[in-house]
Amino acid sequence: SQQGEEDPQALSIQEGENATMNCSYKTSINNLQWYRQNSGRGLVHLILIRSNEREKHSGRLRVTLDTSKKSSSLLITASRAADTASYFCATDDYGQNFVFGPGTRLSVLP
Amino acid sequence: EAGVVQSPRYKIIEKKQPVAFWCNPISGHNTLYWYLQNLGQGPELLIRYENEEAVDDSQLPKDRFSAERLKGVDSTLKIQPAELGDSAVYLCASSSSPSSYNEQFFGPGTRLTVL
Repeated sequence: SQQGEEDPQALSIQEGENATMNCSYKTSINNLQWYRQNSGRGLVHLILIRSNEREKHSGRLRVTLDTSKKSSSLLITASRAADTASYFCATDDYGQNFVFGPGTRLSVLP
Repeated sequence: EAGVVQSPRYKIIEKKQPVAFWCNPISGHNTLYWYLQNLGQGPELLIRYENEEAVDDSQLPKDRFSAERLKGVDSTLKIQPAELGDSAVYLCASSSSPSSYNEQFFGPGTRLTVL
């Protein structure tokens, strides 16, 4: 089945730096969502980008979508220690279910 | 507004024992999901409910897993008997409608350890 694959699997940066993680998927989508998961917690929705959108911003987050390459990127600017978490992309299967990728584990060092 | 509530948060059982997880979604959310999350992986859908109807249970291992949402509000996921490979986090999520344009709200999960 269709699945998003995040890249890299793990990322370690210093506080204040930008963090970029990528998601690739296999087939056409209606939209793509990014979620964050802190250790031991449930997932929290960050942002949704529709298939007809190319870029979207929310605070320090910037998401891009390239449907021709079947890929999306999540940029977190001016990272903070509190951004340490796992980040997942979720793609819809043209139905009403989402398929989550394995995630990128981000560590922001103080 | 209260979030998605799950209980218990942690459960340790021996293999072949039964176990049940409970979820109370956000008030008014008709769509409820159960996911399984293995360590270092993303959530995998087990079952999706629209009100009290299970509209997608294709990924639910029906030989040992069962779920119910009798009144279209809270839901229970059961495993009987549990196997070692069932050790994982079981997440419940809800959304206001089944549209894929709606965000899902997740509970904290139940971490199951099968010994």
